Amino acid sequence: DAGVTQSPTHLIKTRGQQVTLRCSPISGHKSVSWYQQVLGQGPQFIFQYYEKEERGRGNFPDRFSARQFPNYSSELNVNALLLGDSALYLCASSLIPNYGYTFGSGTRLTVV
Amino acid sequence: KNEVEQSPQNLTAQEGEFITINCSYSVGISALHWLQQHPGGGIVSLFMLSSGKKKHGRLIATINIQEKHSSLHITASHPRDSAVYICAPDNTDKLIFGTGTRLQVFP
Repeated sequence: DAGVTQSPTHLIKTRGQQVTLRCSPISGHKSVSWYQQVLGQGPQFIFQYYEKEERGRGNFPDRFSARQFPNYSSELNVNALLLGDSALYLCASSLIPNYGYTFGSGTRLTVV
Repeated sequence: KNEVEQSPQNLTAQEGEFITINCSYSVGISALHWLQQHPGGGIVSLFMLSSGKKKHGRLIATINIQEKHSSLHITASHPRDSAVYICAPDNTDKLIFGTGTRLQVFP
C-alpha cells in the first residue's frame, strides 16, 4: 500500500514566482496537513484540511493557500515567492484529525 | 519561552547505551507524538501517546499529562538509531514541533 506521496521532490524557483506542491494521502485517509520546515528548525504548521474543508491555519501570510480535492489529495500554493520560503514542505495524512499522522518525504523548495 | 522544549539538543552515545530524551510542553494537548527524522527529511511516526507508556521494540515512550512531560527511551542503542528525534504535542488539530534532539550512536 502506497504511503503519503508528495510531488515534486525538489524544486527551484525564482523570487516572485508561484509554486504548487502536491500531496496524495494514504488510501482511506481523509485529513491532510501541511508543514514548513526551514533548515535547522522544527516544522511549522501551515494548514489542515479534513473532508475538503479547512480546519486550521497556521501563522502564514495570505500568499500561502491550499485546497483538498474530492479524492482527498491536496495542493499547497505559494504566490510571490520570497527567499525565506526556501524550505522542506511536508505533508501528513491521517484517517481523521488527531488520529495519528503519516508523513510524506517532503518537497524541498529552493527560491533563488 | 517555546511551547515545546526538548533536552538534550544533541546527544552522542556508544552502541549499547540506554538513551533518554525529554520533552516538556506548555500547551493543552489531545495527544503527543514522537517522530524520527533522518537526513534528507523523511519523518517517521514512532508513537502517539495520550497517557501512560507505550513500547515498540527497543523504544519506550512515557507521558505525564499532569506534569506536561514526556520521555523517549531507547534501550541497547545502535548506530542505525542515529537521527533527529522530535517531540510534537497535538494541539487543536495541529502538531507543535520541538526543535528536536540530534542523536549519534557510534559503534
